[in-house]
Amino acid sequence: SQTIHQWPATLVQPVGSPLSLECTVEGTSNPNLYWYRQAAGRGLQLLFYSVGIGQISSEVPQNLSASRPQDRQFILSSKKLLLSDSGFYLCAWGAGGPVREQFFGPGTRLTVL
Amino acid sequence: EDQVTQSPEALRLQEGESSSLNCSYTVSGLRGLFWYRQDPGKGPEFLFTLYSAGEEKEKERLKATLTKKESFLHITAPKPEDSATYLCAVQALPGYALNFGKGTSLLVTP
Repeated sequence: SQTIHQWPATLVQPVGSPLSLECTVEGTSNPNLYWYRQAAGRGLQLLFYSVGIGQISSEVPQNLSASRPQDRQFILSSKKLLLSDSGFYLCAWGAGGPVREQFFGPGTRLTVL
Repeated sequence: EDQVTQSPEALRLQEGESSSLNCSYTVSGLRGLFWYRQDPGKGPEFLFTLYSAGEEKEKERLKATLTKKESFLHITAPKPEDSATYLCAVQALPGYALNFGKGTSLLVTP
């Protein structure tokens, strides 16, 4: 069966510091991978998605970036965090092709102070 | 622009009191509509996918239905363990993204 891991589970970072969140998927090959952010009082917002190694699409302009160095690894980064980057970050995977469910990881709670 | 609106924002039920959650959507071309359950501090858990109007899916006390403009999640004889936030999302042609509503927070009391 497929499993998805995210770490760290919680993170408290000062404004202006860098960020690296990691997501890995087990039990599937060539998945589509997604990064979402869930802020208080708002719905889940898609940040990035990837349909293959090195292929990244950005949905929302911001100071975040994403990379996919391996088939089942997805990384979310920032060079300098802003207060507005605080939120619950969720990684998800889905099988390739049209109309596929997305399955979410446990999430990372990021607080920027 | 694609839009997903869920109502009510919050719902309190007594154990055994059946009800429905609503998800209204506006998309240019629907690929699929998805229901998820989210417990506090956790990632959403997939429940159902609906593809076309008239389709219905069931799982235990939950039943999801779809029309051309909205979807309903019916909860029959709920139990306290059904308490969670229920999220609706749509996937529109031609993209991969899921467009989520803000969710309905359900509390079932004994």
